[in-house]
Amino acid sequence: QSALTQPASVSGSPGQSITISCTGTSSDVGGYDYVSWYQQHPGKAPQLMIYDVSNRPSGVSSRFSGSKSGNTASLTISGLQAEDETDYYCSSYRSGSTYVFGTGTKVTVV
Amino acid sequence: EVQLVESGGGLVQPGGSLRLSCSASAFTFSNYAMYWVRQAPGKGLEYVSAISNTGGNTYYADSVKGRFTISRDSSKSTLYLQMSSLGPEDTAVYYCVKERGTVTMMRTFDIWGQGTMVTVSS
Repeated sequence: QSALTQPASVSGSPGQSITISCTGTSSDVGGYDYVSWYQQHPGKAPQLMIYDVSNRPSGVSSRFSGSKSGNTASLTISGLQAEDETDYYCSSYRSGSTYVFGTGTKVTVV
Repeated sequence: EVQLVESGGGLVQPGGSLRLSCSASAFTFSNYAMYWVRQAPGKGLEYVSAISNTGGNTYYADSVKGRFTISRDSSKSTLYLQMSSLGPEDTAVYYCVKERGTVTMMRTFDIWGQGTMVTVSS
């Protein structure tokens, strides 16, 4: 079961905006609006940041936003802060009653 | 506060078995699908298994199919993962995860436990 493709790393300066892509196929990202994004700090459990492509759970900063076009979903972090420096994963339902995560992206605030 | 607490991890020899448990609290356990997700040291997240809210439907990643069994006991608000024929490739932190919405399945992995480490080594 192949993972969704994410860039290994993305960097930005404080205050800037960055975008992380998540590329799948018509069997997952492109076929369903069930894309989620997770933030994971070292040694900690992942935390849900975006669900159903573009919805934010309560308590998640409005600096985080999600979108999708075709087989690629994106997570944008605006007003980048030092605390945003960590790992991010996308995920999606995949046809055939299975689930898939992205390869993960390390965000660096330079 | 919704909480998931995993237990049962540890060191096991190749070919051995282990049962993980996940105790849930502060929500109506029987209303939600539940999942196991694992993360090998220094690697990404990998979906392992899913079970419907009633326990009537179960699903597995190809990598564990035939070796792992997911189950739940709603009277104890506990999720289980029985693992057998373990190999070094199964070494990982195993997370118990709750579905965000009722009735739905494999849509949003909402609340995660702190994880339990499984190490397969001789």
